[in-house]
Amino acid sequence: GQNIDQPTEMTATEGAIVQINCTYQTSGFNGLFWYQQHAGEAPTFLSYNVLDGLEEKGRFSSFLSRSKGYSYLLLKELQMKDSASYLCAVYYGNNRLAFGKGNQVVVIP
Amino acid sequence: DVKVTQSSRYLVKRTGEKVFLECVQDMDHENMFWYRQDPGLGLRLIYFSYDVKMKEKGDIPEGYSVSREKKERFSLILESASTNQTSMYLCASSLAQVLAPGNHFEQYFGPGTRLTVT
Repeated sequence: GQNIDQPTEMTATEGAIVQINCTYQTSGFNGLFWYQQHAGEAPTFLSYNVLDGLEEKGRFSSFLSRSKGYSYLLLKELQMKDSASYLCAVYYGNNRLAFGKGNQVVVIP
Repeated sequence: DVKVTQSSRYLVKRTGEKVFLECVQDMDHENMFWYRQDPGLGLRLIYFSYDVKMKEKGDIPEGYSVSREKKERFSLILESASTNQTSMYLCASSLAQVLAPGNHFEQYFGPGTRLTVT
């Protein structure tokens, strides 16, 4: 089976930086994705990492270490609209993505 | 912009009914997927299709079937709805089949159908 672990919830202050961790154990690994999902809405794609290292996209950065089975998503300059669930997903082959249960981030003023 | 649409946002059906959930994408994507999302369980893959008339079982295919007669349309069928199929159903599509830097493998999701079976 595929095992993707994420913390359940975290709270952070507007303007701060928050790091969302994801660890995985999967039968294969071909890349890792991060999605954002607001309550009652569909997940939207944020970033993906195929190789080790940091990928930066504006206020969002994602890091991957394949040897450690570990990734994190970094959100900078937090805004109220960043309150959402952040899903980590591993592509383990043959068109299959395994999703974590999501990390709910609550941004407070 | 990729657009994935689903036929209904909310649906209420009775136990034993046959239920059809429709998904349409407008970006000529080869791959289409059906997931269900439940609190505490996350997103789980039911079925996917990588081409017209081609399908593969996901992690939880029992009680479901699918149909893909046209490239842009992927249907999920609940043959005989049961209360444990009450869930949020999400359709997704993606372009490439080979994941590599620069390839567009990310999945684009529709708005979801919240199905309640009573």
